[in-house]
Amino acid sequence: NAGVTQTPKFQVLKTGQSMTLQCAQDMNHNSMYWYRQDPGMGLRLIYYSASEGTTDKGEVPNGYNVSRLNKREFSLRLESAAPSQTSVYFCASSRTSEDTQYFGPGTRLTVL
Amino acid sequence: GESVGLHLPTLSVQEGDNSIINCAYSNSASDYFIWYKQESGKGPQFIIDIRSNMDKRQGQRVTVLLNKTVKHLSLQIAATQPGDSAVYFCAENREAGSYQLTFGKGTKLSVIP
Repeated sequence: NAGVTQTPKFQVLKTGQSMTLQCAQDMNHNSMYWYRQDPGMGLRLIYYSASEGTTDKGEVPNGYNVSRLNKREFSLRLESAAPSQTSVYFCASSRTSEDTQYFGPGTRLTVL
Repeated sequence: GESVGLHLPTLSVQEGDNSIINCAYSNSASDYFIWYKQESGKGPQFIIDIRSNMDKRQGQRVTVLLNKTVKHLSLQIAATQPGDSAVYFCAENREAGSYQLTFGKGTKLSVIP
């Protein structure tokens, strides 16, 4: 099993550009999450999907949208990137919303 | 502000010694706590978790202690190895029964060979 995979690994955007970060898991997990990690800080929850067909805002949802495409995939979209969105983005999944979360390797995004 | 924090931002230990990483939390409603290890350039890796109905839980070379009276969580690593060098994060759930996690800022553990 690959676990949680994320693409791309690195991305540089200009202010105002849009992009979608992809996440997939092969563990048949029901719940998926998107976090951002800024230097010297812990992870902050952006959005989560407790189960296929549902999404909810986390701590820092502004400027982002998500899509739970199917049980395996959960994408994060930046419609108009801003320098404040420069960060490392982690996707995670868990069997249910009450189970341990397992993380992907991250996407390092720089917005110029 | 964050309710989960760490007493020591950096910790250096000699190889073979035991390491203790501390974490404070302020939310009495939290009933689930978890420790993650993050190596440079990688995603957080689950180490061990504990629920509020327990005071102690042991894994392989790791022990988590929970003191609900003073809202304190610690991670003990026995016989620390160079491969243990990483940033360690504690996290708590915001509400009882919820698994939306709030992370602390992390402690960097450096193992001296």
